[in-house]
Amino acid sequence: AQRVTQPEKLLSVFKGAPVELKCNYSYSGSPELFWYVQYSRQRLQLLLRHISRESIKGFTADLNKGETSFHLKKPFAQEEDSAMYYCALKLFGNEKLTFGTGTRLTIIP
Amino acid sequence: DAGVTQSPTHLIKTRGQQVTLRCSPKSGHDTVSWYQQALGQGPQFIFQYYEEEERQRGNFPDRFSGHQFPNYSSELNVNALLLGDSALYLCASSRQGGSKNYGYTFGSGTRLTVV
Repeated sequence: AQRVTQPEKLLSVFKGAPVELKCNYSYSGSPELFWYVQYSRQRLQLLLRHISRESIKGFTADLNKGETSFHLKKPFAQEEDSAMYYCALKLFGNEKLTFGTGTRLTIIP
Repeated sequence: DAGVTQSPTHLIKTRGQQVTLRCSPKSGHDTVSWYQQALGQGPQFIFQYYEEEERQRGNFPDRFSGHQFPNYSSELNVNALLLGDSALYLCASSRQGGSKNYGYTFGSGTRLTVV
């Protein structure tokens, strides 16, 4: 069965410093990977998906099939990036999203 | 557009009781998925409804059942509640385009506490 691992429950980064939130997955095929974000008192929302290969709010994520990773990166952290981040996996043709346990990112002013 | 609407926002039930949670999808969406999020965990897929039928199910017992109505809204029912059913229940809606899913929109959730 597929599995998503986010090794860091908590991550604190100074404003202006680079951010990297780690995500590893276990699945032998070609999944679709996502990052979801939940800001304080807001609902869970899609940040980006790997097939779009886009940058949202300065964040990027590259799917590394060799390392089965989909780490989320941003070169310069901003205070408004403080939130809960979830990595999620979906198999093509399957409706289920499998989430990791999440990483709480705190940006220190 | 109100997005995905869930009701109630909070609920307290006694062990052994039954509960019904409700979800109205985002305008234009025809598919509803339900997730359970225990404290400190990521959301776990319960099931998905499309065209008023359960399309796919996660690893949850038969005590968890659902329904989708012709207007695409959905209900999640849980029978014989256990303490371990205490969680945030999230509804996510999406639009199907053949086999392609155009992405999920989540509601704010219903916080269920079983005592």
